[in-house]
Order: sequence, then structure tokens, then C-alpha cells
Amino acid sequence: SQTIHQWPATLVQPVGSPLSLECTVEGTSNPNLYWYRQAAGRGLQLLFYSVGIGQISSEVPQNLSASRPQDRQFILSSKKLLLSDSGFYLCAWRDLMTGSSYEQYFGPGTRLTVT
Amino acid sequence: AQKITQTQPGMFVQEKEAVTLDCTYDTSDQSYGLFWYKQPSSGEMIFLIYQGSYDEQNATEGRYSLNFQKARKSANLVISASQLGDSAMYFCAMREGPNFGNEKLTFGTGTRLTIIP
Repeated sequence: SQTIHQWPATLVQPVGSPLSLECTVEGTSNPNLYWYRQAAGRGLQLLFYSVGIGQISSEVPQNLSASRPQDRQFILSSKKLLLSDSGFYLCAWRDLMTGSSYEQYFGPGTRLTVT
Repeated sequence: AQKITQTQPGMFVQEKEAVTLDCTYDTSDQSYGLFWYKQPSSGEMIFLIYQGSYDEQNATEGRYSLNFQKARKSANLVISASQLGDSAMYFCAMREGPNFGNEKLTFGTGTRLTIIP
């Protein structure tokens, strides 16, 4: 069965520091991968998605970037964090190879607090 | 205009009762998909149910059903025989356009459901 991992689970970083959040998926090949952010008490906002290695689409211009160095690895980065980057970051995947390919499945999330 | 509107910020329901969570959407696309996700206090988003715009039957998954009224642009989630474990945030989401090639899900602001014993 498919599993999605995210780490770290929680992170407290000072303003201006770099960021690297990692997401890996097991049990599937060539998934679509997604990064979402959820501000406190709000819905999810799509940040980036990837349909293949090295292919990144950005939905929201900001100081974040994403990379997909391997088929099942998706990384969210920042060179200098802002206070407004605080939130709950969720990675998700979608399997286009099986019959049911409509829904996205989410990881456990990383709670980021920028101080 | 908001793409997805969830007008109930919070709901309290007695255990074993049925509950309906409201969702209205706005799109000019003929092909689109509607989703419901559950987010417990742990934070993980759990997929519940999907309805395609061309699906003639309302989607059902166990105790979950989606009351799809296309002309009204509403996609309400119905949970039958509610349980204490149903207490969570519930999000409605929409994909505009055909299933393949359209990756963006737009989420509503959610409804916090609390089941009372």
C-alpha cells in the first residue's frame, strides 16, 4: 500500500533562516506531488505541484521554492523565512496509474512556526 | 466570488444523528470534481468522497454521501448515524476542468463538527 512521509513534524525557525521540508511517497511510481499550506483556522492553499522529476509548477509567487530530485521525493525550501510563512504544510500525492485517480492523499504535515 | 463556500463555521450534533455539512461552489467549467476531506485534530487530511460533474448518481462511501445538486451548485456532505470519532474539521474542495491536466484543488474554509455524546 502507498504511504507518504513528511519531516520534520514540527519546526520552529527564526525569521531570515533557511527552510527545507521533505516529503517522500512509498508504494507508487510517478505520482503527482503537491505542497499545500494551511494558515491557522483556514483552508488549504496550493503552493506547488509536480507531475514528474524536475517539473515544478508554482501557484503562488512568494519566497518559497520546490524541487523534485527523485520520482517520489518532493522538497519545499526557502532561503529566508518570513513571519508570514508560519503555518501547517501538507504534502499530497495523486496516483494517475490506477483506476481511481481523482483524489489526492495527504501526509501528516509539518507545523512551522517562524519567530 | 469565492470558489467554494462553506457557510457553517461550526456545528454541534448529537451522537447517532445524521448531519449535513453545506458546500456551494462557483465555476463556469462543465467538467469539474468535488471532494470532501476530514481533518482531525492530528492535522492529517483524510479523503472521504468524490463527485464528478457528469456523475448522474450521488456519490456514497459507507456512512458518507454527497447530495449533489448541480443546478444549485451545491455539494453537501451527509454523514449518517454520527459517531464521536466524526468530530473534526471538514473541508469541501473543487477541481475545475477535466480530471487530467488540472491539478489545483480549491478548498473552502471548513466546518468544525463536534459530536455530543
